[in-house]
Amino acid sequence: EVQLVESGGALIQPGGSLRLSCAASGLTVSRTQMSWVRQAPGKGLEWVSVTFSGGDTYYADSVRGRFTVSRDNSKNTLYLQMNSLTAEDTAIYYCAREYYTNYFDPWGQGTLVTVSS
Amino acid sequence: QSALTQPPSASGSPGQSVTISCTGTSRDVGGYNYVSWYQQHPGKAPKLIIYEVSKRPSGVPHRFSASKSGNTASLTVSGLQAGDEADYYCSSYAGDNSLGVFGTGTKVTVL
Repeated sequence: EVQLVESGGALIQPGGSLRLSCAASGLTVSRTQMSWVRQAPGKGLEWVSVTFSGGDTYYADSVRGRFTVSRDNSKNTLYLQMNSLTAEDTAIYYCAREYYTNYFDPWGQGTLVTVSS
Repeated sequence: QSALTQPPSASGSPGQSVTISCTGTSRDVGGYNYVSWYQQHPGKAPKLIIYEVSKRPSGVPHRFSASKSGNTASLTVSGLQAGDEADYYCSSYAGDNSLGVFGTGTKVTVL
């Protein structure tokens, strides 16, 4: 069974940095297309990034240049490094396996990032 | 890309059916057979219920069905049950070297 577990969410001040983790079991992160999706409080889903098995990553316009995805193959973990955070980045962040025909399954339970002074 | 358009809400009585639309453009919904649907209960992560326009993952009841015509995809929930009360989101591929796009979400209420 595939399981994804996010961690690292916190209350952080505007302008700060945070790194989220997505620990995987039942799949190999380095050989799997993985995405980060976020959901602001009371709002809809927003695609943040997609990382292909070959390592290329694409980012949403809203985070490009501030967020960076990386992988630790030894820990089978995907990371989302978030810099220059603003209140608009406040959201639950989910990681998910993305199939090549562009659907997500499964999703992690999510981790909450709150950007506030 | 702009979010796909869904009605904010839909409702039906137990046993009835409800259909949710998801309207995009020829660059996403209309251009590919890569539409998926997700069910999200309050405080929970989204759950895949439909992929590749009309396919159901193992374990998803046949009461959930979906289709696509032109730039609009649709999800139908038949035989509504109390447990179907949730938010539903569509998603579509939007071309190579780009992220996909989600719908605005629809809250389904079982009356």
